[in-house]
Amino acid sequence: DQQVKQNSPSLSVQEGRISILNCDYTNSMFDYFLWYKKYPAEGPTFLISISSIKDKNEDGRFTVFLNKSAKHLSLHIVPSQPGDSAVYFCAASASNNDMRFGAGTRLTVKP
Amino acid sequence: NAGVTQTPKFRVLKTGQSMTLLCAQDMNHEYMYWYRQDPGMGLRLIHYSVGEGTTAKGEVPDGYNVSRLKKQNFLLGLESAAPSQTSVYFCASSILAGAGNEQFFGPGTRLTVL
Repeated sequence: DQQVKQNSPSLSVQEGRISILNCDYTNSMFDYFLWYKKYPAEGPTFLISISSIKDKNEDGRFTVFLNKSAKHLSLHIVPSQPGDSAVYFCAASASNNDMRFGAGTRLTVKP
Repeated sequence: NAGVTQTPKFRVLKTGQSMTLLCAQDMNHEYMYWYRQDPGMGLRLIHYSVGEGTTAKGEVPDGYNVSRLKKQNFLLGLESAAPSQTSVYFCASSILAGAGNEQFFGPGTRLTVL
């Protein structure tokens, strides 16, 4: 039972354009959402997060949007850079230790 | 400041063999976690610890045991390895749990069980 889903295994964009990564969840108890970035042969690293009391959080080129009614969040990267090429994991938690991750989306930014 | 380190980086086992994966963190974090990552599955929580001397089951605990004898170390044991345990294992730690819980991950251990 995958409570966090990333339906796009891969995404390819041109350098300088916007990258939009999507994530859907099923558990209405989730109240905190995070995005992690992972390079090959490394562990995931925290990128940006959002609490369920907000609908947008911005950090430099990265913005996360949360639509609670649709149980959907998205990560926008503007402008995309070749160094952003990585696997991006969406994660959600419900005020306890149980954090659920999506399967990841591999982003490729072409020069 | 090394962050979270994992030993070993790679390991090949035969079915039925046992092994222990070591995770160490130097950030004085209370919470530590073990995950496994399989293709198309994301990361799934195996066991976690909320402090020295405590452990708890996660989403997929069967076939694994853990111990947290020291705050900075979290050990994951496989008593009798099975091919289904072939995976990449990640350890993580965090200051707090729940909302706002940013976890710091180690580089991973790639385990193959033949």
